Amino acid sequence: DTGVSQDPRHKITKRGQNVTFRCDPISEHNRLYWYRQTLGQGPEFLTYFQNEAQLEKSRLLSDRFSAERPKGSFSTLEIQRTEQGDSAMYLCASSLERPRTGLYEKLFFGSGTQLSVL
Amino acid sequence: DQQVKQNSPSLSVQEGRISILNCDYTNSMFDYFLWYKKYPAEGPTFLISISSIKDKNEDGRFTVFLNKSAKHLSLHIVPSQPGDSAVYFCAVAFKAAGNKLTFGGGTRVLVKP
Repeated sequence: DTGVSQDPRHKITKRGQNVTFRCDPISEHNRLYWYRQTLGQGPEFLTYFQNEAQLEKSRLLSDRFSAERPKGSFSTLEIQRTEQGDSAMYLCASSLERPRTGLYEKLFFGSGTQLSVL
Repeated sequence: DQQVKQNSPSLSVQEGRISILNCDYTNSMFDYFLWYKKYPAEGPTFLISISSIKDKNEDGRFTVFLNKSAKHLSLHIVPSQPGDSAVYFCAVAFKAAGNKLTFGGGTRVLVKP
């Protein structure tokens, strides 16, 4: 039983550099979510995909951020021209949406990528 | 605008006693309410949930209570164990909004042996 996998676990970069994170969801899950968490706060929603379609983006997702899920499986989150304020834990989660059940399908989270921008 | 608030940043409890965590929310239209637990350097893990049509859900040592009129959610852990020491987040979801979760700020629980 493989859970949600995120790579890398840690990333240290200099201000102004670009970084890319990868998320591999649980294999049969059709929904994938990105969250950001800073110290002492709860995770904040960034964006989510249903298969390959990006259905919602938070106002937190500035134009320096882009997320893709090209084949409806793994996803990447890229941050261009990183700033010190981007330092955070970036969490990926997945879930299985079953439209006809009417049930809530809980999100399964990965261990996150800790980004430090120097 | 904080839709979900956990007003107690930390809680310390003796092993074997009850831990009570509280959460307040602003929107009466949320469909689901959840609690997640997080250990350091790990992602949040699901603990227990309740739909808006219920007022109580129990799973082993964990019970979630929903008071819709007060827009208040609570989690009871009894008996508390040292392995329960973690940060607990309450979260809310609209089914129509892709089930995405909106989290509170978290409560750090320390269970003393």
